Amino acid sequence: QQQVKQSPQSLIVQKGGISIINCAYENTAFDYFPWYQQFPGKGPALLIAIRPDVSEKKEGRFTISFNKSAKQFSLHIMDSQPGDSATYFCAAQATYNTDKLIFGTGTRLQVFP
Amino acid sequence: EAGVTQSPTHLIKTRGQQATLRCSPISGHTSVYWYQQALGLGLQFLLWYDEGEERNRGNFPPRFSGRQFPNYSSELNVNALELEDSALYLCASSLELRPPYNEQFFGPGTRLTVL
Repeated sequence: QQQVKQSPQSLIVQKGGISIINCAYENTAFDYFPWYQQFPGKGPALLIAIRPDVSEKKEGRFTISFNKSAKQFSLHIMDSQPGDSATYFCAAQATYNTDKLIFGTGTRLQVFP
Repeated sequence: EAGVTQSPTHLIKTRGQQATLRCSPISGHTSVYWYQQALGLGLQFLLWYDEGEERNRGNFPPRFSGRQFPNYSSELNVNALELEDSALYLCASSLELRPPYNEQFFGPGTRLTVL
């Protein structure tokens, strides 16, 4: 019940295309859903996050879509660029238990020019 | 503002030895978290320290331990190293215990290799 399932494991997109990464969870106590971006040799960096009181959040080319009833959320990267090539992790947290983030297994995105 | 720093960058040990990894949080952050990032397994929560106290630990054996110092820096110790301990160990810090200020900022990690 603590798991966050992430797919796909890897994704290849052409420059200008849309990248979509999906995550699903079981624990209905989760109420904070961040996405992290990790470049090789670097630690993960917070990209965008959402709370379940909204169904969508957009920041620039990055959008989170959230479906509370289906217990799913996804990251959409519009107009994907080669510089977006990185590993993306979804995560979930129950903020009554503010310590640990539960991470998905990651998606390696490659954007080709 | 300096980010989370970790040392060493790389650490090579042999099976049975002990490893010590260090983390300095962002100035003003009181919470420090440790995660293990093994290949293909994502990030697994290890330990959480706040105000010098261990608040929670993940599903790891007792040979994984640590502490937080009065200046909020932290140390992760791994005793009796096993081959499967080879991973990237990430430290994160956060400003406040309570949401919505619980964004975790990650350091670059320490790559531990056990031979």
